[in-house]
Amino acid sequence: DGGITQSPKYLFRKEGQNVTLSCEQNLNHDAMYWYRQDPGQGLRLIYYSQIVNDFQKGDIAEGYSVSREKKESFPLTVTSAQKNPTAFYLCASRPGQGTYGYTFGSGTRLTVV
Amino acid sequence: GQQLNQSPQSMFIQEGEDVSMNCTSSSIFNTWLWYKQDPGEGPVLLIALYKAGELTSNGRLTAQFGITRKDSFLNISASIPSDVGIYFCAGRPRETSGSRLTFGEGTQLTVNP
Repeated sequence: DGGITQSPKYLFRKEGQNVTLSCEQNLNHDAMYWYRQDPGQGLRLIYYSQIVNDFQKGDIAEGYSVSREKKESFPLTVTSAQKNPTAFYLCASRPGQGTYGYTFGSGTRLTVV
Repeated sequence: GQQLNQSPQSMFIQEGEDVSMNCTSSSIFNTWLWYKQDPGEGPVLLIALYKAGELTSNGRLTAQFGITRKDSFLNISASIPSDVGIYFCAGRPRETSGSRLTFGEGTQLTVNP
C-alpha cells in the first residue's frame, strides 16, 4: 500500500544536539511538506519542496534544515539553533497540479531532555 | 501569513447529537479542506471543496464551501464515540502561488457515550 512513513515515532534529544527526522513516501507525489504542531495550535509550515533539489522556507524555518535529493525522501534536521524544538512533527505530500489534499504521515514526537 | 479562524475551539457532546463547526477568513480562498486527527496520528483528509457554494458529503459528514469564498462549514450528524478527535480546516488562499495550505487551529471534539 502506498503512503508516507515517518520515523522514528518518538525521539529524545539532548540540548545542543542536531537530530534528523525521516520522511519517505511511495505515492509518487511531487510536493512534500514539514509541519510542526504544538498543543492547542494549528499546523505551522516549516519547509516545503515542490520538486527534487528545490525547497522553500515556510513560516517557521529558523533552526531547521531540509534536503530533497530524491523524490521519495524529504528529511528534516532540527538543529541546536532551534530554541524550542519539543513538538509533534508532521510530514505531508501532495500529487502534482490541480489536487490540493495533502496526505500526512503519522508524525514524530520530538522531546528535548 | 494568512489566518483562518476556526470555531469552536472545543465541543463536548452526547452520542447521537449533531455537530457543526466552521472556518472563516478575511481573504478569499480557492480551496477548502477538512481533516480529522486522532491522538498521536497525522491528519486524515475528510472532504475537499473546490467551488464556491459546493456542498459535499462523506457518510455522516457534510461540508460546504461558502458563497463568499471566505468561509466553510463542517457538519457531523448522529455523532458516535469514534468521532472523537481534532478537526482541522485548511484552505488555499486565492493569491497563493503553488500548493501551500493555511490551517485553522482545530476543533477538539469529545463525544460522551
